[in-house]
Amino acid sequence: EAGVAQSPRYKIIEKRQSVAFWCNPISGHATLYWYQQILGQGPKLLIQFQNNGVVDDSQLPKDRFSAERLKGVDSTLKIQPAKLEDSAVYLCASSSGTSRAGELFFGEGSRLTVL
Amino acid sequence: GESVGLHLPTLSVQEGDNSIINCAYSNSASDYFIWYKQESGKGPQFIIDIRSNMDKRQGQRVTVLLNKTVKHLSLQIAATQPGDSAVYFCAEREPLVFGKGTRLSVIA
Repeated sequence: EAGVAQSPRYKIIEKRQSVAFWCNPISGHATLYWYQQILGQGPKLLIQFQNNGVVDDSQLPKDRFSAERLKGVDSTLKIQPAKLEDSAVYLCASSSGTSRAGELFFGEGSRLTVL
Repeated sequence: GESVGLHLPTLSVQEGDNSIINCAYSNSASDYFIWYKQESGKGPQFIIDIRSNMDKRQGQRVTVLLNKTVKHLSLQIAATQPGDSAVYFCAEREPLVFGKGTRLSVIA
């Protein structure tokens, strides 16, 4: 079974530039998550989708971050304009209704460096 | 703020010894807890979960203990191996809220 795919793996941009990350969840997984993991910290939930609808985006900085999940499969996370404090690993995860309740399947992440 | 946290940021153990990683939580209404392992350069990976109606749950070489009285849980790894070196997070749902993690280093 293929895992969660993310791209790009690494991205370096200057502040005020924009960046987009892509995620392809495990086939059949209805729930998709984006997490932000700053170095030395645990992942922090940014947004949760159920199919193509948003379940929770309470911690998404909506003035600069946006995410969409068209057709309920792939998802993109965009940051515009980026700030220095956005430097982090952006993790995508997915889960299905048949998974254990707390079992999310994570991708390897996209590491963003903002200079 | 975070409702789950870990007591120690780092833990070093000899290969073959048992490891114990601790976690405290603050929400007495939490009913489900999960442990994740994150190896360098990878995303977190589910290890084991436990519901609040249980005190103990065992998996392969891992045991999770839950003490609801003091709002504490621990992950025990038996016969620790070099492949166990990683950062370990406890989390509660839902949604998953992760603590800062404990870095386990296994000394060969």
